[in-house]
Amino acid sequence: DTGVSQDPRHKITKRGQNVTFRCDPISEHNRLYWYRQTLGQGPEFLTYFQNEAQLEKSRLLSDRFSAERPKGSFSTLEIQRTEQGDSAMYLCASNFQREGETQYFGPGTRLLVL
Amino acid sequence: AQSVTQLGSHVSVSEGALVLLRCNYSSSVPPYLFWYVQYPNQGLQLLLKYTTGATLVKGINGFEAEFKKSETSFHLTKPSAHMSDAAEYFCAVNRGTSYGKLTFGQGTILTVHP
Repeated sequence: DTGVSQDPRHKITKRGQNVTFRCDPISEHNRLYWYRQTLGQGPEFLTYFQNEAQLEKSRLLSDRFSAERPKGSFSTLEIQRTEQGDSAMYLCASNFQREGETQYFGPGTRLLVL
Repeated sequence: AQSVTQLGSHVSVSEGALVLLRCNYSSSVPPYLFWYVQYPNQGLQLLLKYTTGATLVKGINGFEAEFKKSETSFHLTKPSAHMSDAAEYFCAVNRGTSYGKLTFGQGTILTVHP
């Protein structure tokens, strides 16, 4: 399977703990995106990378959130000092840098903060 | 700024009936428009997209959508619903100086009754 993969698929943590999620994009894609989806809502953009450069960050991405893509391949999203409001599905997508290109989504990481 | 409105958070049809899911967008530049489907606890899968050219777009699983600039709409249709079509559907728009992030609508849950 050469699709987008995410790890872990599920994460339960206690409030105040740090969590880190990983996304492996489709290998030849140079763009990688992170979205957050809460129950009953559409995905909301968080940030995206072109190769290793982080090109845009949403205002949703508070200073407790940090994302990296150090070698332009996989990416990590870390949430520090988790809050109950961080409970959501975190989706990763990737594509080529071309206008109108389809973004291919991974299965998501579902986070529950107790 | 871009935005998407999906009219009707829930749509219910009988098996074999016409499916119509509504999407209206707002964009200051000619948009790229997408429909994605999401099954429970899974990521998003592209159904179809409009970038340029023919305004009637055909996608997977018998779905199609028509881009109507004058109505700023991109409604999704399928002539005959199947039980397997039950899922949540998201309309999204993407265009701009960075043609990066997708802006999603709130989603429409489609229920298909036997």
